[in-house]
Amino acid sequence: AQSVTQLGSHVSVSEGALVLLRCNYSSSVPPYLFWYVQYPNQGLQLLLKYTTGATLVKGINGFEAEFKKSETSFHLTKPSAHMSDAAEYFCAVILFGTGTYKYIFGTGTRLKVLA
Amino acid sequence: KAGVTQTPRYLIKTRGQQVTLSCSPISGHRSVSWYQQTPGQGLQFLFEYFSETQRNKGNFPGRFSGRQFSNSRSEMNVSTLELGDSALYLCASTLGQASTGELFFGEGSRLTVL
Repeated sequence: AQSVTQLGSHVSVSEGALVLLRCNYSSSVPPYLFWYVQYPNQGLQLLLKYTTGATLVKGINGFEAEFKKSETSFHLTKPSAHMSDAAEYFCAVILFGTGTYKYIFGTGTRLKVLA
Repeated sequence: KAGVTQTPRYLIKTRGQQVTLSCSPISGHRSVSWYQQTPGQGLQFLFEYFSETQRNKGNFPGRFSGRQFSNSRSEMNVSTLELGDSALYLCASTLGQASTGELFFGEGSRLTVL
């Protein structure tokens, strides 16, 4: 079945440390890939997206992600965590079929940043 | 530019009742999608409307329905509420169809079913 898997429902990092949030997808055809962030009591906001072209994508707030087709992955990274990065992060894909598409979200990873 | 507006933000209903939620997309956006968010299931796609037509539908029972008006505003309705319908319902809009990429989300309507 086509799906999106986020490894780790909760991730804790120290302030200033590397942030790595993992996302793998299952699809025979490369999908469009997205990372969204959700702060408490708010909707989701796009961090970055990959559709075609350069596989390393830079987004807002210093985040970036790399599409690796061979690993079917789209992991999100940030070199140095900030307290304001504490939020829930969702990986999402658009999978295309014949005349149709599915927008599928992962179950989310809650990032905690320790002072 | 105003964002996606959802009303009401919070509501409490009892089993068997019905509920209608409203979503006003960003001005100029023609596509509205609805998602159900729960702690256990994450975001589950309900349906997408584009130019007043349902273009895509998720795997939800017929109790969940929606519509879109000529001004792109959308409503979703849930009839015969069940306890399991308690969730945050998110609406998202895009300029074209949702398949083109970025979704702009509202803050959601939190429904509690007692």
